[in-house]
Amino acid sequence: DVKVTQSSRYLVKRTGEKVFLECVQDMDHENMFWYRQDPGLGLRLIYFSYDVKMKEKGDIPEGYSVSREKKERFSLILESASTNQTSMYLCASSSGGHSNQPQHFGDGTRLSIL
Amino acid sequence: KNEVEQSPQNLTAQEGEFITINCSYSVGISALHWLQQHPGGGIVSLFMLSSGKKKHGRLIATINIQEKHSSLHITASHPRDSAVYICAVRIRGGGADGLTFGKGTHLIIQP
Repeated sequence: DVKVTQSSRYLVKRTGEKVFLECVQDMDHENMFWYRQDPGLGLRLIYFSYDVKMKEKGDIPEGYSVSREKKERFSLILESASTNQTSMYLCASSSGGHSNQPQHFGDGTRLSIL
Repeated sequence: KNEVEQSPQNLTAQEGEFITINCSYSVGISALHWLQQHPGGGIVSLFMLSSGKKKHGRLIATINIQEKHSSLHITASHPRDSAVYICAVRIRGGGADGLTFGKGTHLIIQP
């Protein structure tokens, strides 16, 4: 079974802090994704990566950056956390290429910015 | 922009009822996904469709490409089916595997 592991289920940080959310997958997937999920808005794509050191902006990249130094790990970084970044963050991975492959999701990190 | 619309937003039904959740989209797609999210957050991929119909246990998913519409059916519903069901599409020509999501249907099955 594919395992996508997010480092924290719950996280509380303060405004202005630099926040790191980590995601690791164990299936040698090329593609990895970061989404945020908000009530009434559904899931929205922040960034994705289709290879090591490669990254592409999603629909809402502002205020975020990502890092993919190793194939299995995809990090989401909040450079200077703000209260409007309080949300549920979900990481996903899928096998590569442009073929249609299912995405496998982690359990999510519920982040609160105070 | 609401490229993916789901209905209903909320659905409460009795155990044993036949459930239908609908998804309409306004763009050309290469695939449509149905996902299930239980309380606590984890998301599970149920189906990926590009045409026709798929069945897994009590779950059936159909898609009509010409009408840009998909349905998820649950037969003999059970309280453990209570979850948020999310429709997502891969837009044709979209990069990598980026998906566009509907807002979800919150299903409650009462015993």
